[in-house]
Parts: sequence; structure tokens; C-alpha cells
Amino acid sequence: GEEVAQTPKHLVRGEGQKAKLYCAPIKGHSYVFWYQQVLKNEFKFLISFQNENVFDETGMPKERFSAKCLPNSPCSLEIQATKLEDSAVYFCASSQFLTSGTTGELFFGEGSRLTVL
Amino acid sequence: TQLLEQSPQFLSIQEGENLTVYCNSSSVFSSLQWYRQEPGEGPVLLVTVVTGGEVKKLKRLTFQFGDARKDSSLHITAAQPGDTGLYLCAGDGGWGKLQFGAGTQVVVTP
Repeated sequence: GEEVAQTPKHLVRGEGQKAKLYCAPIKGHSYVFWYQQVLKNEFKFLISFQNENVFDETGMPKERFSAKCLPNSPCSLEIQATKLEDSAVYFCASSQFLTSGTTGELFFGEGSRLTVL
Repeated sequence: TQLLEQSPQFLSIQEGENLTVYCNSSSVFSSLQWYRQEPGEGPVLLVTVVTGGEVKKLKRLTFQFGDARKDSSLHITAAQPGDTGLYLCAGDGGWGKLQFGAGTQVVVTP
């Protein structure tokens, strides 16, 4: 597709339940990123992929969070045993090119709002 | 902790007025990006500034990158209601790892 597609748009979970979010990057983009936007608009980098390989996972919480990008499937971000502080909007972005220097344009999806009650 | 400080946090102006948003950091970045985000949507890239002292213009928007590549500003001339949105600066940590500021909410009233 020509835009990053994220589903679901909204997700409500009780504390301790599992949450799974999906992202279809723009066709032809090899790089996928997950960012978390919490209160006060703070964006936090979580993880990036080059095709199906984890590229940088330094922002991922060690426990409960996992992500995958498998061939011919949407990428996914899964949170086991959700906590109240996981409530946020989770954005997926994709990019065609990536270098150690200047990052090329990241195209963001509309986000998935997770509310943990 | 935000490495990038944006100011002001909120700006409300009348149509036709000018405004400036600032983005300051104690760190040097290889480049800095400015995004605009509207409610219910993801951020959309406006511009990337790379060279210290660089000035880029995008219609009524003027972006500057400081000589030391630590700070940047966004100036909007003759603001219009369509300029309303959350403006975010993001320092490029390389390899797509962006460090965002907390954003400046701009409201332009007719």
C-alpha cells in the first residue's frame, strides 16, 4: 500500500491482559519502526526492523514487550500482561532507506491507541 | 527525560500573525527534523535540516538550524487556520532512531 496501515485504531485491555497491535508498512519499504507516544506527547523509540530482522531493539522494555516482522505478514507489537503505564498511542513508521547519518523520511501510520484499565 | 526542549508548549494566535517555535538541545545531532501532527494522525515530516546555520523555506514556514547543530527554530509567517497542529522537532540519533521534543501545540483562530 501507499500508506502505513495500523490496526486496531483503538484497543482497551484490563490490566494483566495481552495486547497485540499490527502494522503494514508501505510497499517497498524495508525498514519498520515502532514508537510509543505517551502523555504530554512524549515519543519514545521502541524497536526497528530491517525486513524481518531486528535492527535496533534498545528502546524495548526487557519484559512483556515483543515485536515481529515476518515475511508476507503485517508486523506486530505484542504486550504481555499489560500495565496501566502501557496506555499510550503506538505508532508504526516505515522508511525506504536508512543510514548511520541522516535518517531518510519516516512515514508514520495513524497510530493505535491502547488504553489499559 | 527529554533531550530536546521545545518552547513554548502552547501558542494561540490570530490568523495573519507570525509565530516562532524553538527547539533546543544540549546534544549535537547530525540532523534535525520537524514534523506536524494533527489529532488522530501520525506525525508528517515537514523538513530535515542537516548543516549548521542552514535555513530552509517551505512556503510560509522558515526553518533554521543553529551553527552548533544543537538548536533549531520554526517561523511561520502570516499564520492561517490550516497551520493549526502539534509541531514536533526530532533529533536524528542515526539509523532512524529519532529523539522527539514534547511538541508545541499551535492554534490559529480565524
